[in-house]
Amino acid sequence: NAGVTQTPKFQVLKTGQSMTLQCAQDMNHEYMSWYRQDPGMGLRLIHYSVGAGITDQGEVPNGYNVSRSTTEDFPLRLLSAAPSQTSVYFCASSYAGAGNTIYFGEGSWLTVV
Amino acid sequence: GQNIDQPTEMTATEGAIVQINCTYQTSGFNGLFWYQQHAGEAPTFLSYNVLDGLEEKGRFSSFLSRSKGYSYLLLKELQMKDSASYLCAVRGLLPGAGSYQLTFGKGTKLSVIP
Repeated sequence: NAGVTQTPKFQVLKTGQSMTLQCAQDMNHEYMSWYRQDPGMGLRLIHYSVGAGITDQGEVPNGYNVSRSTTEDFPLRLLSAAPSQTSVYFCASSYAGAGNTIYFGEGSWLTVV
Repeated sequence: GQNIDQPTEMTATEGAIVQINCTYQTSGFNGLFWYQQHAGEAPTFLSYNVLDGLEEKGRFSSFLSRSKGYSYLLLKELQMKDSASYLCAVRGLLPGAGSYQLTFGKGTKLSVIP
């Protein structure tokens, strides 16, 4: 099993450009989510999904879109990149249910100049 | 809303014991997780507590007191490879959301010195 796979690992964008961070999991997890991690801020939830066709906003959703057309994939779209979106992005997944462990992808380092 | 507090940094000696504390306030508490994160890597799961008491897993133990909104992670027989950030995360009702979500503290950076 590959687990949670994120691409790209590193990306530099110019302000105003758009891009998509890809996330795929092969564990048949119902729940998927995107976090961003900034120095001194910890991991903050951007968007999440509890199953195919269902998405919802987290703590910091502005400037990002998501979709969940399949159980496996949960891409994160930056519509018009801003320097404030320079961060490390983690995709995560788990089975539904309170006690289930969340597994993280390896992270995507994004710099917006 | 949710609020999670943990010390920013700690230093401990190889072979010693260290306790990392976490206090939290949340709506609809539904479990507390500890994750380990080495620099430049993804967080990895260490422990889960939903009932009061101590959970032991090898050199690592985690304690929860729901009435006090308090947890700690205990690391015994410290090794150099334990130098990492330790993240406390609480599952609770996210403000405005209709489901339980995991909220992370800012992490405690542990440095193990010889």
